[in-house]
Amino acid sequence: AQSVTQLDSQVPVFEEAPVELRCNYSSSVSVYLFWYVQYPNQGLQLLLKYLSGSTLVESINGFEAEFNKSQTSFHLRKPSVHISDTAEYFCAVSGRAGSYQLTFGKGTKLSVIP
Amino acid sequence: DTEVTQTPKHLVMGMTNKKSLKCEQHMGHRAMYWYKQKAKKPPELMFVYSYEKLSINESVPSRFSPECPNSSLLNLHLHALQPEDSALYLCASSQRGALDTIYFGEGSWLTVV
Repeated sequence: AQSVTQLDSQVPVFEEAPVELRCNYSSSVSVYLFWYVQYPNQGLQLLLKYLSGSTLVESINGFEAEFNKSQTSFHLRKPSVHISDTAEYFCAVSGRAGSYQLTFGKGTKLSVIP
Repeated sequence: DTEVTQTPKHLVMGMTNKKSLKCEQHMGHRAMYWYKQKAKKPPELMFVYSYEKLSINESVPSRFSPECPNSSLLNLHLHALQPEDSALYLCASSQRGALDTIYFGEGSWLTVV
């Protein structure tokens, strides 16, 4: 069985400041990790994912996450946030190739303050 | 076209009503999903269809009945719901499984009165 823990339920940050959203995982098998973002009144969108290979993965809008096996973490970072980054961010894990199931964390609400 | 379209966006129904939520995708995806999301909570998987066959039913009450008429359409039939079933219902699709990008619709907000 696998699970993820998002350590912060809310993260307020000033515009143009850096941000880190924390995610720790627990899995007894291979692990595949994801960050999904949900803007207000919308569905979820994939931000980035780690399946294998390079432990640093990047999204097209400036976010990055690093898979750290020794610390069982997959923290999401952005060096400079914009107002438009205000959203709910969900870390998720899948434990098996071919699985349809993602286990989501409880979410972190990122609020960017002008 | 990377869209999953859901209708209606909002639905209010009584506990004795029968209604349906509809979902459509034209990306050629073979897996389609229904998720339920309560306020300030993560999405919870309800059903998965793979190649138009029900693959996963996460012990969902029978008052929720999914249907996949063809590879592009997914319905969720609702009957005799309870107020606690009020939530955002998200449809999603992916090429195959969860390791592929899952594309979500904007959801149908359901209120049961």
